[in-house]
Amino acid sequence: QVQLVQSGAEVKKPGASVKVSCKASGYTFTSYSIHWVRQAPGQGLEWMGIINPSGGSTSYAQKFQGRFTMTRDTSTSTVYMEVSSLRSEDTALYYCARDSSGSSWSAFEIWGQGTMVTVSS
Amino acid sequence: SSELTQDPAVSVALGQTVRFTCQGDSLRSYYASWYQQKPGQAPVLVIYGENNRPSGIPDRFSGSSSGNTASLTIIGAQAEDEADYYCNSRDSSGDHWVFGGGTKLTVL
Repeated sequence: QVQLVQSGAEVKKPGASVKVSCKASGYTFTSYSIHWVRQAPGQGLEWMGIINPSGGSTSYAQKFQGRFTMTRDTSTSTVYMEVSSLRSEDTALYYCARDSSGSSWSAFEIWGQGTMVTVSS
Repeated sequence: SSELTQDPAVSVALGQTVRFTCQGDSLRSYYASWYQQKPGQAPVLVIYGENNRPSGIPDRFSGSSSGNTASLTIIGAQAEDEADYYCNSRDSSGDHWVFGGGTKLTVL
């Protein structure tokens, strides 16, 4: 079945980096873009950015430009979100989600289970 | 504008109808999609496009759109519908996406 499986929870110190993975299965990896979505504790969903696994092109929300990097490995059907110079406010659940889009519509149709990243000294 | 505005909370009596709204300039150009999120779970897509339900989503969920406002309606709300609901759409540039702030549904 189509699924996205994310890596496990991480605890990091301020200033460190973390790399969260999202492994796709059950479909052709390069046929669908992947979004990353962040949810701070008790807060709503925030769109972070999108990566096209076919060519690797990316687009980031303005808030997530600079310290956030999305990459992909087509040999393992995996996309990654790396966050550098971690701050306490990066403590959140990070989700990946598969995109389906038409000219006037879009949908985050399949979601990973989420990866909790905790930044604490 | 790149914002989508939702009411923070709404309540509905069991078996009654509830409507969620989502307002934003980009909704004049792009359809919203809607997501249900229960505590401790990943969001689930419930409505996308003009009014499309993914497989497994009950037909009591429906969507509509007019001008800068998208709506999600539940006809005959059930206890299991109690959750947070988020709308999402591309922003006006078409290159980015944005979520609304979410609406917490309480089923009485």
